[in-house]
Amino acid sequence: SQQGEEDPQALSIQEGENATMNCSYKTSINNLQWYRQNSGRGLVHLILIRSNEREKHSGRLRVTLDTSKKSSSLLITASRAADTASYFCATVFYGNNRLAFGKGNQVVVIP
Amino acid sequence: EAQVTQNPRYLITVTGKKLTVTCSQNMNHEYMSWYRQDPGLGLRQIYYSMNVEVTDKGDVPEGYKVSRKEKRNFPLILESPSPNQTSLYFCASSFAGGPGTGELFFGEGSRLTVL
Repeated sequence: SQQGEEDPQALSIQEGENATMNCSYKTSINNLQWYRQNSGRGLVHLILIRSNEREKHSGRLRVTLDTSKKSSSLLITASRAADTASYFCATVFYGNNRLAFGKGNQVVVIP
Repeated sequence: EAQVTQNPRYLITVTGKKLTVTCSQNMNHEYMSWYRQDPGLGLRQIYYSMNVEVTDKGDVPEGYKVSRKEKRNFPLILESPSPNQTSLYFCASSFAGGPGTGELFFGEGSRLTVL
């Protein structure tokens, strides 16, 4: 099945810096969601952006969606050590009520 | 506290010994789903259920069974486990409409090893 693909796969940054991750997909979507997973734990929902939306904010998180390029980005501003985790984008395609996950971005924030 | 509870959290078993991983949610969610997570492959959907008595295959249903007799429970059954089912399993739930309308709530995961 089609899945979101994140880029880059691994990111290491200093505390206080911004972290940006990108996600691309192949077909028309209903919505795109970002999740965070701390090592070995369950996934936690961060943001959902619908196909008719271009940008959403939640605290230090900013998500953009460009449906013409079939891509999304997740920006974490002023990163903290607690932001160290894997980040997944997941898409729901039109006509399909299933959430397909990308392989994830591992982000390490160095104190 | 709103949560999705999976049991067991860790299990080591042997090939062919039937096992069940339970999943229960206390949020009155209609939609429930099982995923497996493997290194390099990300999360793949096994089965999902839009409501009681309604289940559908995901991307990797072979070797698994599910049932949805009650709204809150969605057990995952491995009738004859094999080593390639060694994985980290997640149960998730959502309000009516599933992920097409809203976020998924995940359990903490069940790490299964089949020898």
